[in-house]
Order: sequence, then structure tokens, then C-alpha cells
Amino acid sequence: AQSVTQLGSHVSVSEGALVLLRCNYSSSVPPYLFWYVQYPNQGLQLLLKYTSAATLVKGINGFEAEFKKSETSFHLTKPSAHMSDAAEYFCAVSDLGGGADGLTFGKGTHLIIQP
Amino acid sequence: NAGVTQTPKFQVLKTGQSMTLQCAQDMNHNSMYWYRQDPGMGLRLIYYSASEGTTDKGEVPNGYNVSRLNKREFSLRLESAAPSQTSVYFCASSEAIGGVAGDTQYFGPGTRLTVL
Repeated sequence: AQSVTQLGSHVSVSEGALVLLRCNYSSSVPPYLFWYVQYPNQGLQLLLKYTSAATLVKGINGFEAEFKKSETSFHLTKPSAHMSDAAEYFCAVSDLGGGADGLTFGKGTHLIIQP
Repeated sequence: NAGVTQTPKFQVLKTGQSMTLQCAQDMNHNSMYWYRQDPGMGLRLIYYSASEGTTDKGEVPNGYNVSRLNKREFSLRLESAAPSQTSVYFCASSEAIGGVAGDTQYFGPGTRLTVL
């Protein structure tokens, strides 16, 4: 069985500050991990995904995430927040034990950017 | 290349009414999915189709039915809508047959459904 925990339903940062969104996963086998972003009234867009090729994964819009097996974490970061980063962010996990349905999502973190 | 499209964008139903949500993808993907999104709950899988001609239940299938009409289209039907089905519904697709682990899912823009 697989599960995802996102710490903090809301995160507020100042424009230009570091963005850190936390994700911890539970998986009985090596996982695949995803971050999706949802802008207001839109569908989900893939930011990045980890598929075991490299522990540090770079995505779109300056975001990156680091896979840490010892901590079962896949936190999302961006060095300098921009107003356009305001959105809902979802972490998701997929592993062979998940079956054909694939993805299990966290509950999401709403990122607020203060001017 | 439109990706994943969904119709309608918005819908209001009365309790007991029925309706079908339509989804189509033009990426020649094999697997398709229906999710619902509720505040503070993330996305929960309703049904999925691992390939043309097959469908399976996800986490929250009660009150819904699906049809994989062909490789492109995957519809979700509410036979007798209830207020608990008020939600945003997302369709997604992925390339591999059987929803292979690590396969990226691509999402449509969603349908906002309100059941009064």
C-alpha cells in the first residue's frame, strides 16, 4: 500500500523568498514520485517526477525536488518565489504495488505569495 | 493537439437527475482515469481504464458508472445524482497499457458539478 502526506495545507512566503513544500511518502517498494501544480480553476500540470534516474530532479518554472530514501521524503523547492507561483501543489506516489490505478495523491498544499 | 478535453465545464443538477461527463484525449494514450477533487481531500480515483475495452473500480466508485467508448473517449455517468457528488471531476490519461508505475498522467481542465 502507498500513501502520501503533505505537511501544511497552506504555506505563505514572501516574493523572492525560498519556497519549500514538504512531502513524505509510504511505499513498500521503490516508488515513483510526482509533483503536480494546479492554478485556479484549471487542471493539474506536471511539475516534475522522480523515476530513480537521479535523486535531484529539476522541473519546470525553476522548481526542483530531492528524493531522500532514508527520510522517505520528496520535498519541493524553489530558490526565489514569484507571484505567479501562487497555486495548489500536489505530491503523488506510484509504485508497482499500486496496480493499474497508478497514482495516490496527497491532500495538497496551497502556496500563497506575499508581495 | 488539445491533450485531454472534458465537457461540460460546469453543470448544476437536482438530486436524482442523471448526467454523463465526457472525456476525450488525442495523445493516443492507452490508459484513462476519472478522479474527483474535494476541498482538503486531494484527488481520489473513481474509475480507471487500463486499456480500450476494460474498466476497473478505484477508491470511490459508488454512485458512478463508466464507459470506455473507444481508445480516445472515457465517459463517467451519474445515474441518480446526490448532493455528496458535488465536486470537481478530472479526467486523465497516460500512455502505457495498464497504468504502468511511473507513467505520467495528463489531466483535463475539469468539470465543476453541483448537485442541489
